[in-house]
Amino acid sequence: DIQMTQSPSSLSASVGDRVTITCRASQSIGTFLNWYQLRPGQAPKLLIYATSSLQSGVPSRFTGSGSATDFTLTISSLQPEDSATYCCQQSYSTPLTFGAGTKVEIK
Amino acid sequence: QVQLQESGPGLVKPSETLSLTCAVSGYSISSGYQWGWIRQPPGKGLEWIGSIYDSGSPYYNPSLMSRITISVDTSKNHFSLRLSSVTAADTAVYYCARLYYYGSGSYPDHWGQGTLVTVSS
Repeated sequence: DIQMTQSPSSLSASVGDRVTITCRASQSIGTFLNWYQLRPGQAPKLLIYATSSLQSGVPSRFTGSGSATDFTLTISSLQPEDSATYCCQQSYSTPLTFGAGTKVEIK
Repeated sequence: QVQLQESGPGLVKPSETLSLTCAVSGYSISSGYQWGWIRQPPGKGLEWIGSIYDSGSPYYNPSLMSRITISVDTSKNHFSLRLSSVTAADTAVYYCARLYYYGSGSYPDHWGQGTLVTVSS
């Protein structure tokens, strides 16, 4: 199975800050990497697919980059509604696997 | 707008079978995509359980394969999960999802809100 390692596990930042979350795959996955936003009691939301493609309806402050084993999700200007857990997922091969998540809190 | 809604018992006894159904609205299951289940145990990360093609062909996480059945009912536009011989380790929030597939993998693009299933006597 491909292991996905995220860092940091949590962070606290102020409104307007630039936030970066990283995800590392245990082997090369090309650009088969996706990002989700999870909030308690809500349906998880797809933010970015195929490393850098923005899902319809997602604000442009979310961007993704990377390739092979190292990937990044960036929030260019953190907003109060961005308080959530962010999770990466590889879609290179089955079993599909996810990172453990990064909890983002607003200071 | 595609919407998914999980339903089923919130409490299952050890050694019994967990059964969940996902009702899909706003999209016909038989029109394409994969349909799958993902779970998140308390305090842990997401785990893909398995998926099924609109054609009815399933594929499962090898770690759970011996205990899982995923099926589709196109007449009711819903799909189901059965997980047998459950233990406390199967306690989790269970999500159903629509998955877009390309190449050898897929990713969920629409999710249900999730339902907590607790395994306890």
